[in-house]
Amino acid sequence: QKEVEQNSGPLSVPEGAIASLNCTYSDRGSQSFFWYRQYSGKSPELIMSIYSNGDKEDGRFTAQLNKASQYVSLLIRDSQPSDSATYLCAVNKGNQGGKLIFGQGTELSVKP
Amino acid sequence: GAGVSQSPSNKVTEKGKDVELRCDPISGHTALYWYRQSLGQGLEFLIYFQGNSAPDKSGLPSDRFSAERTGGSVSTLTIQRTQQEDSAVYLCASSWSSGGASGQYFGPGTRLTVT
Repeated sequence: QKEVEQNSGPLSVPEGAIASLNCTYSDRGSQSFFWYRQYSGKSPELIMSIYSNGDKEDGRFTAQLNKASQYVSLLIRDSQPSDSATYLCAVNKGNQGGKLIFGQGTELSVKP
Repeated sequence: GAGVSQSPSNKVTEKGKDVELRCDPISGHTALYWYRQSLGQGLEFLIYFQGNSAPDKSGLPSDRFSAERTGGSVSTLTIQRTQQEDSAVYLCASSWSSGGASGQYFGPGTRLTVT
């Protein structure tokens, strides 16, 4: 079992729809969770961080964390073609300093 | 302000040669990380530095890989006797602390091709 798992996709949604990206992690002691967006040929860009159970909203993005179920998700409302990218989930286990464990990423395609 | 910078942006080298990749973190960031990303793959942790503490080298794939960070700022990743499987994008990231609570900010990467 991978430490951080994501569906590779591609996930295809129409423009204006809600895109839902999911991530599960194996270590119950994990404390910090991050979502990165990576456009093709570019480096990852930090878009959301979440540390407590519940929802955290930032513009069109909402991160959701459920530590009991060991999953974290990212919702993108009013999806735009410019949101088409690979979304990486990253987890900090809390006992290894700042090291992040990344999932393989989910490719999102937003169709006009 | 300036982000993380890396050089060179591209490096083509012959198998068996040594290469050095450079990373200049965001000013004030105390933690610095190296990752690599092979084509179509996720990010693989290599090494990280926090202040004057001993680096966490647990992700280095072999003893051909080494890294140093001088003066708590610039870092150099060295790959000796390069192999074709070393071909990847090498990404550097920095953060305010290494406690895991702050996100990491990535540089543009160095694309290494070993022929």
